[in-house]
Amino acid sequence: QITLKESGPTLVKPTQTLTLTCTFSGFSLSTSGVGVGWIRQPPGKALEWLALIYWDDDKTYSPSLKSRLTITKDTSKNQVVLTMNNMDPVDTATYYCVRRLTASGSYHHWFDPWGQGTLVTVSS
Amino acid sequence: DIQMTQSPSSLSASVGDRVTITCRASQSISSFLNWYQQKPGKAPNLLIYAASSLQSGVPSRFSGSGSGREFTLTISSLQPEDFATYSCQQSYSAPYTFGQGTKLEMK
Repeated sequence: QITLKESGPTLVKPTQTLTLTCTFSGFSLSTSGVGVGWIRQPPGKALEWLALIYWDDDKTYSPSLKSRLTITKDTSKNQVVLTMNNMDPVDTATYYCVRRLTASGSYHHWFDPWGQGTLVTVSS
Repeated sequence: DIQMTQSPSSLSASVGDRVTITCRASQSISSFLNWYQQKPGKAPNLLIYAASSLQSGVPSRFSGSGSGREFTLTISSLQPEDFATYSCQQSYSAPYTFGQGTKLEMK
């Protein structure tokens, strides 16, 4: 069974740095083609992709947030960590951890499964 | 960034109805399009990948089609458990953008 679970603070103050950890099981981030990423969803709003880290340690970030984001992995612990600095109330959202999969021999990829999500509120 | 626009934003339908949701990309994305279902308070769940491939375990009443800039998600005969929000997502190029979602409600 493949699972991902997010952990981290539920409340952060403006200007602080958010650190979220994704702990996963049932797959390896050493497997070619596999990635783990983060997606967020403000209350009542659309999903927004944030960042991805790949099996080969390559990383991609949302250009609009790139200056604020860092994604890292610890393959031995089956964990991926996302940090976002200079938090603002508009960053209040549910943050999801996702596995990125690709079809063999194809550039197609998708996110499955998703973690349960963790709501992060930014408020003083 | 590639913009993804879904229509309609909300839809009222009855059990047994055939429902179609449209997703349009701001530029051609070939078949790099995925569909997700999300129920209130829950994480999204993958339904369709690569525009038309049904994810394992997803009922066959769900189908996807399209290529280029226009895509559709069709539910052939609505079941009570299908009332949810549906979102498309392009995987053509980063940032991997989502549509705003289509909320499917019971009439």
